[in-house]
Amino acid sequence: QSVLTQPPSVSGAPGQRVTISCTGSSSNIGAGYDVHWYQQLPGTAPKLLIYGNSNRPSGVPDRFSGSKSGTSASLAITGLQAEDEADYYCQSYDSSLSGSLWVFGGGTKLTVL
Amino acid sequence: QVQLQESGPGLVKPSETLSLTCTVSGGSISSYYWSWIRQPAGKGLEWIGRIYTSGSTNYNPSLKSRVTMSVDTSKNQFSLKLSSVTAADTAVYYCARGDFDPIDGLFRFDPWGQGTLVTVSS
Repeated sequence: QSVLTQPPSVSGAPGQRVTISCTGSSSNIGAGYDVHWYQQLPGTAPKLLIYGNSNRPSGVPDRFSGSKSGTSASLAITGLQAEDEADYYCQSYDSSLSGSLWVFGGGTKLTVL
Repeated sequence: QVQLQESGPGLVKPSETLSLTCTVSGGSISSYYWSWIRQPAGKGLEWIGRIYTSGSTNYNPSLKSRVTMSVDTSKNQFSLKLSSVTAADTAVYYCARGDFDPIDGLFRFDPWGQGTLVTVSS
């Protein structure tokens, strides 16, 4: 069971907009820790997509955007393209009495119809 | 740009110790935190721990009793040892730089190595 909760799957047609949610708690996102997003294409390593809640690394299209509010965060993809089909993971930091560590969501598989 | 490459045995016997090395090229390993992250087949990502170039470490509390990390700055490498492995430790293991950027002050895991599959089986 992941500390950050994501929907297992989302889908959309080419050109459409999809969003992927990432729900945390008061010990991670709600505590003010930043959320980052990674894209994992089939058979490859995760790649940084969004950092610091809403910042895009150089080379990432502006079709990808991130936001954070309260104990949740979202990744939005507009103008969906076939090459966006991948797994997407959110990531943050968690600090509680159990210890402190970097945590990931369980991942969301995006299918482009 | 900085690139990472994992290396080590692809098959480890139950109860033995898994050992992996990550070689950093295209830049210095110094003054950054470096992490190990794993992914069982068809599952999500799990942070294992991190090491600074001074040798300071932080480990996932759930794995802490079995994990040891080390760094060799002369070789631009850092390593992972996971003891008493079981089938549950079978996964693709990634190394990644995970730190706050000195310019924008924001954290990220970037870049990542391509990953190496380690299977625990007799």
